[in-house]
Amino acid sequence: DVKVTQSSRYLVKRTGEKVFLECVQDMDHENMFWYRQDPGLGLRLIYFSYDVKMKEKGDIPEGYSVSREKKERFSLILESASTNQTSMYLCASSPVGVVAGGSSYEQYFGPGTRLTVT
Amino acid sequence: AQTVTQSQPEMSVQEAETVTLSCTYDTSENNYYLFWYKQPPSRQMILVIRQEAYKQQNATENRFSVNFQKAAKSFSLKISDSQLGDTAMYFCAFDSNYQLIWGAGTKLIIKP
Repeated sequence: DVKVTQSSRYLVKRTGEKVFLECVQDMDHENMFWYRQDPGLGLRLIYFSYDVKMKEKGDIPEGYSVSREKKERFSLILESASTNQTSMYLCASSPVGVVAGGSSYEQYFGPGTRLTVT
Repeated sequence: AQTVTQSQPEMSVQEAETVTLSCTYDTSENNYYLFWYKQPPSRQMILVIRQEAYKQQNATENRFSVNFQKAAKSFSLKISDSQLGDTAMYFCAFDSNYQLIWGAGTKLIIKP
């Protein structure tokens, strides 16, 4: 079974802190994704990576950065946390790189990290 | 811009009933893929069913089936003989260029 793990289920941070969210997958997937999930808005893509050291901005990259130094690990960084970044953060992986015309491969999700910034 | 719309924020049905969740999308692409994902309470998101746009036949997975209307850009999910374990958020998603566009979700509650 594909397993995607996230470093924390719940996290509480103060405004201005630097926050690291870690994601690890164990199936040698090329693609990894970071989403933010908010009620009524569905999932919004923050960043994705289709290979080591490669990253692409998603729909809402402002205030976030990412790092992928190893294939299995994808980190999301909040450089200076703000209260409007309070949310559920989901990591996902899938087994194919950039594909024009779309992909039928499913994305495998981690359990999520509920981040509260006070 | 490509968008996905789920017009039903919340639905509830009795156990064993059939329920249909609606999804519409907007794209100018011709080749793409559509998905329904399920997120049970406090559990991980999992894939329910997928449909390739060039396939005429509607996808089915056990009690789950879709009604794919390409011209109308509609992709509804039908759950037959609903079970308590079907209680979850259901998300419709669209993939045309290596990333998924997601709907806002429908919260489905199955009542005993």
